[in-house]
Amino acid sequence: AQKVTQAQTEISVVEKEDVTLDCVYETRDTTYYLFWYKQPPSGELVFLIRRNSFDEQNEISGRYSWNFQKSTSSFNFTITASQVVDSAVYFCALSGSGYALNFGKGTSLLVTP
Amino acid sequence: EAQVTQNPRYLITVTGKKLTVTCSQNMNHEYMSWYRQDPGLGLRQIYYSMNVEVTDKGDVPEGYKVSRKEKRNFPLILESPSPNQTSLYFCASSLSVYQGAPTEAFFGQGTRLTVV
Repeated sequence: AQKVTQAQTEISVVEKEDVTLDCVYETRDTTYYLFWYKQPPSGELVFLIRRNSFDEQNEISGRYSWNFQKSTSSFNFTITASQVVDSAVYFCALSGSGYALNFGKGTSLLVTP
Repeated sequence: EAQVTQNPRYLITVTGKKLTVTCSQNMNHEYMSWYRQDPGLGLRQIYYSMNVEVTDKGDVPEGYKVSRKEKRNFPLILESPSPNQTSLYFCASSLSVYQGAPTEAFFGQGTRLTVV
């Protein structure tokens, strides 16, 4: 069975602070994919990143970075120098041998000026 | 512009009245799926389709039907909606499925359905 846990339900930070969103997953598959999506207040889901289980390299995209550690089954997401526009719900998701994206319950991030 | 289009965006209906939520993608994607999003439960897959005329159940298929007669369209049908189907629905499409995992999934804008 696949499971994704996002233990942080809500996080509130002040603009320019760094913030890390945690994602812990469970799977018995040896080949799997991890994703992060952003859901802004407007409601749409925006793809941020996909990482396969054989690629543990960290990734940086602008102010966003992702840390994938198979040893701890974690795929954490860090926003550096947060901005108000980063306020959204962020979902971590896992896909393994099935054909579904298994989503965590999401972390609501509020960035205040 | 590459997109997944769902209609309607908002819908209020009564129990038992059949409805269809349409989903169309313009990216020639093979894989399409439907999810529902509920507070505290995240997103859960309802049905998916690997290609034309190939559909299968996801995690929460009860009360829903789908069809895939054309590659671009994947409508979600509620034959007899009930209040517990009140939810936010998302259609998604991906170019392919590689080793059982969808590639980057594009999501529609969502359909907020209320069944009274």
